[in-house]
Amino acid sequence: ELKVEQNPLFLSMQEGKNYTIYCNYSTTSDRLYWYRQDPGKSLESLFVLLSNGAVKQEGRLMASLDTKARLSTLHITAAVHDLSATYFCAVDITGYALNFGKGTSLLVTP
Amino acid sequence: DTAVSQTPKYLVTQMGNDKSIKCEQNLGHDTMYWYKQDSKKFLKIMFSYNNKELIINETVPNRFSPKSPDKAHLNLHINSLELGDSAVYFCASSQDPGHEQFFGPGTRLTVL
Repeated sequence: ELKVEQNPLFLSMQEGKNYTIYCNYSTTSDRLYWYRQDPGKSLESLFVLLSNGAVKQEGRLMASLDTKARLSTLHITAAVHDLSATYFCAVDITGYALNFGKGTSLLVTP
Repeated sequence: DTAVSQTPKYLVTQMGNDKSIKCEQNLGHDTMYWYKQDSKKFLKIMFSYNNKELIINETVPNRFSPKSPDKAHLNLHINSLELGDSAVYFCASSQDPGHEQFFGPGTRLTVL
């Protein structure tokens, strides 16, 4: 059974600081996704990582994938309040279902 | 233009009732999904459809019955609702299996 583990599950950080969220998974896959969810809202696709060594950046967020280590990271640079949300990683091994981590609730404070 | 839409957005009902949630996508995608998000925000796949055919039924009670009248629609019917069915249900679609999934706004179901 595929397990997807995110850490930390809760993260409070000051504006301007850097931090990394980790996503480990238990079964080989080369399809990993990062989503953002604001309270009471839907899931917004942030990054699609489809190969070993893939790195993608959007604004203050950068995601990477190491399929050999079964690890993806979401790096936050110089955090701002608008980044406060819950971030999910999800792994697809069948093509027909996303297996989600438990999510990381991020709070950026002044 | 809304890409993936769901109705209703909120659904409050009594135990034992039967209810339906509708999902429509205007992206021309071939694959659609239902996910359940529980009170702890954990998301789990329920069903996957490809070209109107059921592909995945992920240990969901048979009180839940998806129906796909065409490739743009995937509805979810729930019989004999139970307290534990209270959750947010998300519909999603993708161009093909294994492609990026786009999520609807969710339906918050509360069973009293």
